[in-house]
Order: sequence, then C-alpha cells, then structure tokens
Amino acid sequence: DADVTQTPRNRITKTGKRIMLECSQTKGHDRMYWYRQDPGLGLRLIYYSFDVKDINKGEISDGYSVSRQAQAKFSLSLESAIPNQTALYFCATSDPRTGGYEQYFGPGTRLTVT
Amino acid sequence: ELKVEQNPLFLSMQEGKNYTIYCNYSTTSDRLYWYRQDPGKSLESLFVLLSNGAVKQEGRLMASLDTKARLSTLHITAAVHDLSATYFCAVDMDSNYQLIWGAGTKLIIKP
Repeated sequence: DADVTQTPRNRITKTGKRIMLECSQTKGHDRMYWYRQDPGLGLRLIYYSFDVKDINKGEISDGYSVSRQAQAKFSLSLESAIPNQTALYFCATSDPRTGGYEQYFGPGTRLTVT
Repeated sequence: ELKVEQNPLFLSMQEGKNYTIYCNYSTTSDRLYWYRQDPGKSLESLFVLLSNGAVKQEGRLMASLDTKARLSTLHITAAVHDLSATYFCAVDMDSNYQLIWGAGTKLIIKP
C-alpha cells in the first residue's frame, strides 16, 4: 500500500467552483506539504504544516487554503477555481528525525479548470 | 533569496554515453536532494547528500556535493533508455525547513 495517497487523482472542474484535494499518509510524519507543478517551472510550494496546529504559507498561497485535520491528513482547497490553477498537485511528507528534510511524495492530482 | 539552477534543462543523448547534470545554488546549504520523475508520475527520491564531499552511487547514477562551490552533480555512466526521465535537485533551507527546487532536467536517452 502507498504511504502517501491523494484523492482524487484526476479532476475537471469549472471556473468559480470550490474544490478540495485530499492527502493522507501512513508514514507517521509530522510535516506535510502541498506543491503545484507546471511544465518547465519545477515544483512550487503552496502551503506546509509542521503539525496539526502549525500551518504556513508557501511561495504561492494566494487562491488556496488548507486544513490539517489530523497528523495523517492535509487537505488543499481552491475556494473559487480559475483556469490558471490548472496544474499537477502533489502532497509530500517529511520527518526531521532523519537528520534532513527528504520529502516523500504522493501520486499527484491532475486538476483541470475550464 | 535562495535560487537553485539546473543545467541543462533538456538533454537528449544516445545510449552508452556519459553525461553530467549540474545543480548550482545561491546560498549556504549542506543538504541536497536528487529526485527522478517519470512522465505523469510522482517524484522518487534518488539521493540524499548531507555533507560537503558526499558522494552517492546507485547503478549508473552518481551524485556528489561540493558545498564550497555550491554545486552538485548527477553523473550518468553508459546511459540506458530506462534512465529517461526528468531529474530534479532540491536544496535544504535549514532556516525554515523547506526544500527549494530546481526547474528540472528532462533527459531523453535514445536507443
């Protein structure tokens, strides 16, 4: 079974709709991240969370919000989707006890906003 | 502002050849990571380099880190088609526990 799962895997939605992407992990990691990936731009950090009560904005948080419902769950919401939010979204986790910040990624959610 | 630059961004090469991908970063860091991504897939961790002079090897791939030069290299030896993928480096910003990512190097290895 995958350690980091994301649902849905693919989603098509219309401009103005609210959408939630969900991430769950069984790795027992405290730290969780949401990224978006656009062709040629690498990964850009949207939000990150070090524990349930610690949530921080990343590089591109405008238009997004998050919820950390439990250690294992971290959700990303687009309050009013717009076409330039069409991208591949990844959730990741990390464990600082390893001595570094290697991140473990979910399979991704491909979101299309029409 | 920490910047991470990879070059080349695109590389097409023949099987059996050797090549190197470079990852330069703009501020002090002792930790660097290499990831692989196949088209439409997730990112897979390849190497974790945690100190100056670190060298890691896995099969035909070898990564090294020179923190004084702020440079990491990913060397491919006798390339095979299965190594075709996009390779990302990421640098650890210890001050706020984030990874800063390069734009990726798309590697195509022709049979």
